[in-house]
Amino acid sequence: EAQVTQNPRYLITVTGKKLTVTCSQNMNHEYMSWYRQDPGLGLRQIYYSMNVEVTDKGDVPEGYKVSRKEKRNFPLILESPSPNQTSLYFCASSLSSGGAYEQYFGPGTRLTVT
Amino acid sequence: AQKVTQAQTEISVVEKEDVTLDCVYETRDTTYYLFWYKQPPSGELVFLIRRNSFDEQNEISGRYSWNFQKSTSSFNFTITASQVVDSAVYFCALTSLQIQGAQKLVFGQGTRLTINP
Repeated sequence: EAQVTQNPRYLITVTGKKLTVTCSQNMNHEYMSWYRQDPGLGLRQIYYSMNVEVTDKGDVPEGYKVSRKEKRNFPLILESPSPNQTSLYFCASSLSSGGAYEQYFGPGTRLTVT
Repeated sequence: AQKVTQAQTEISVVEKEDVTLDCVYETRDTTYYLFWYKQPPSGELVFLIRRNSFDEQNEISGRYSWNFQKSTSSFNFTITASQVVDSAVYFCALTSLQIQGAQKLVFGQGTRLTINP
């Protein structure tokens, strides 16, 4: 089944404790992206990747890191999480960056930082 | 600037009623793409439709239909004979070739639709 998976789905952590949210897609998609969703602010892009080893900042990259060493994986790293990073996070992928293809979203990761 | 406005924050209707969700977009690009996504209470984002700027044909898929009008920069979504399972937050989104090669989605704020039995 074609899908985007994220782990963990739920996470409660404390300020400053490094964490990684994994994202994997099995559709051989070139483009991958991370969004966060917050009440009243909608969905905002954090980072994106056009292909392996090609990543760039989105609208709200502060406090986050990413890497794209393999085509299928695009982990989101919070080196020192803070309470303002409490949010619902979505990973997304699409076929190519050369045109507009529908983006497929993972199930979301609900992160709480205390 | 690229922008999507969903003016209806919340809509509540009784089952079997028809309901239209409004979406107004702003872009200076001549080539752009519009999307609708559904976010049910379980939280995932489900793709519903993609439309490019050169195709103004309306689309119907079962009880769902979409009305794309470039003259008013609108891409409205209608659910006919609504059902309780249609209860969700619905997002309209826009991208264009000027935005990360037409990959980054600019989302509206979403419309929370509640269908009451």
